[in-house]
Amino acid sequence: GAVVSQHPSWVICKSGTSVKIECRSLDFQATTMFWYRQFPKQSLMLMATSNEGSKATYEQGVEKDKFLINHASLTLSTLTVTSAHPEDSSFYICSASRQRTYQETQYFGPGTRLLVL
Amino acid sequence: GNSVTQMEGPVTLSEEAFLTINCTYTATGYPSLFWYVQYPGEGLQLLLKATKADDKGSNKGFEATYRKETTSFHLEKGSVQVSDSAVYFCALSDRGNAGKSTFGDGTTLTVKP
Repeated sequence: GAVVSQHPSWVICKSGTSVKIECRSLDFQATTMFWYRQFPKQSLMLMATSNEGSKATYEQGVEKDKFLINHASLTLSTLTVTSAHPEDSSFYICSASRQRTYQETQYFGPGTRLLVL
Repeated sequence: GNSVTQMEGPVTLSEEAFLTINCTYTATGYPSLFWYVQYPGEGLQLLLKATKADDKGSNKGFEATYRKETTSFHLEKGSVQVSDSAVYFCALSDRGNAGKSTFGDGTTLTVKP
């Protein structure tokens, strides 16, 4: 159990276009979802925390107008990279938790690799 | 703020060797501690966790003990396999942060036959 999927797994787009990435919890309801960005050979950088039915909480330095997050249901969160530029190219990973508690395990999606040309 | 410091990699071992990856943390509260593993081309998956002092998490032959006195959560395995080659992340989740986790930089392990 506790499977999280991401779609697409790979996306290549032109500079200036917008890209939407979906994160779904397949067999459980996710009260909280997290969005991370991972650079090559580096750790995960938390971008934002998303709770169903409320606005996402962005980490310091993350542009909320550039990275739009929507958590429309207990099984789906989306990240939209608006007006993407080459510097947005990265590996984006989502995770989901059943509860908003510190003891709760995060279940990670397989990641989405974005390349902006 | 919270932070996690992991042993720098990469680590290269021969099959059946003993593995230790050190992890120490600083936290404002009483955190839960996690080890996640990322296999090549994949997302992270939970390897083991511990939620209170002296708890030992274990899975697939890996173990880590929550040491509050030394603020450590070192990962160990007695005999590694080639299939254990991956990036290992130590992480903590603090009571005050509603489930947000702080990750270490990751340690790349390569096991050679």
